[in-house]
Amino acid sequence: QKEVEQNSGPLSVPEGAIASLNCTYSDRVSQSFFWYRQYSGKSPELIMSIYSNGDKEDGRFTAQLNKASQYVSLLIRDSQPSDSATYLCAVNRVLTGGGNKLTFGTGTQLKVEL
Amino acid sequence: DTEVTQTPKHLVMGMTNKKSLKCEQHMGHRAMYWYKQKAKKPPELMFVYSYEKLSINESVPSRFSPECPNSSLLNLHLHALQPEDSALYLCASSPRGGLTNTGELFFGEGSRLTVL
Repeated sequence: QKEVEQNSGPLSVPEGAIASLNCTYSDRVSQSFFWYRQYSGKSPELIMSIYSNGDKEDGRFTAQLNKASQYVSLLIRDSQPSDSATYLCAVNRVLTGGGNKLTFGTGTQLKVEL
Repeated sequence: DTEVTQTPKHLVMGMTNKKSLKCEQHMGHRAMYWYKQKAKKPPELMFVYSYEKLSINESVPSRFSPECPNSSLLNLHLHALQPEDSALYLCASSPRGGLTNTGELFFGEGSRLTVL
């Protein structure tokens, strides 16, 4: 079982629709959870972080976390063509020696169509 | 603009060359990271430094040699690489620990390496 799993897509949604991206993880001691957006040829850009069960909203983005189910999701409302990118789910464990071990899922490619 | 600066942005090298990738941050972060990303794959952790000490080496071949001269700088020395080492190499930083450590990593723009 992979540590962090996502559907690779592509996920196609029409402009203005809600895009729903899902992620499951296997390490129960994971402490924090992130969604990164990555455009082709660019580095990952952090768009959402979530640390406790429930929902967290930031603009058009809502992250949801369910630690009992080991499940994280990202909703993008009013999807725009500029949202077309690969979305990487990342799960973090703080290291006892300092620093973090951030493990990424394989990413879901989102295409927002006009 | 990212506050983690990587140089060079592009590097082409032969299998017998020795080169280095450089990374710099001025956010006062005390943990720094190297990730490797192949096309259409997620970033894979290579090394973690915390307070200039190597914290994690994810079984990376010795032809990759990291160095952390101080808390703001991170280097990756490259020697005798193979064509399959061609990838985007990403540097990141984060606060080390305690309440300031949210687990968020701040990535640089990456160095795209091609090994001929």
